[in-house]
Amino acid sequence: GAGVSQTPSNKVTEKGKYVELRCDPISGHTALYWYRQSLGQGPEFLIYFQGTGAADDSGLPNDRFFAVRPEGSVSTLKIQRTERGDSAVYLCASSDGTGNEQYFGPGTRLTVT
Amino acid sequence: AQSVSQHNHHVILSEAASLELGCNYSYGGTVNLFWYVQYPGQHLQLLLKYFSGDPLVKGIKGFEAEFIKSKFSFNLRKPSVQWSDTAEYFCALEPGNTGKLIFGQGTTLQVKP
Repeated sequence: GAGVSQTPSNKVTEKGKYVELRCDPISGHTALYWYRQSLGQGPEFLIYFQGTGAADDSGLPNDRFFAVRPEGSVSTLKIQRTERGDSAVYLCASSDGTGNEQYFGPGTRLTVT
Repeated sequence: AQSVSQHNHHVILSEAASLELGCNYSYGGTVNLFWYVQYPGQHLQLLLKYFSGDPLVKGIKGFEAEFIKSKFSFNLRKPSVQWSDTAEYFCALEPGNTGKLIFGQGTTLQVKP
């Protein structure tokens, strides 16, 4: 079956612009996760959805970051007023519940110039 | 604070050599533990996981890991590496069944043919 997909694969934007990153989880997976991976580091947790609601958003770095999952499937990570420090690979993962294996997508490489 | 530490940042081995990658975590409660692998140009894939039960877990491609609770460790091992094992390896902790994965900084393994 299809895995987790993320679009776009690459995004270059100017400092101060708004960006949206999309994640399509594995069909039927109720849990969806966003992580951010900077160069030379492991992924860093941002937010976790169970169904439509954000169960844990403690990893969002500040209020410029926001994520939604309105129908419990596709999720969008939104970043306002982008900064050069936001440049990273943004990873999405899904699972069929907590305590279970998370399946990762290929990531979106965001570059803020 | 919850954290994961991987001792080796870059490991170089010849084919057929034995591998052990260190992973220590900091968390006092129940944990789920994972090793993920990222082959060049590919996305993160699960290598193996520990949830409960037998502390020696076996994963794909001949990898295994041992959970030693008293040492807060979950080291990854393989008796004989192959060139195709060249990849980046990440240890991850899920505190309780929170859904949040906390990753180590990763270990780059280079296997020389």
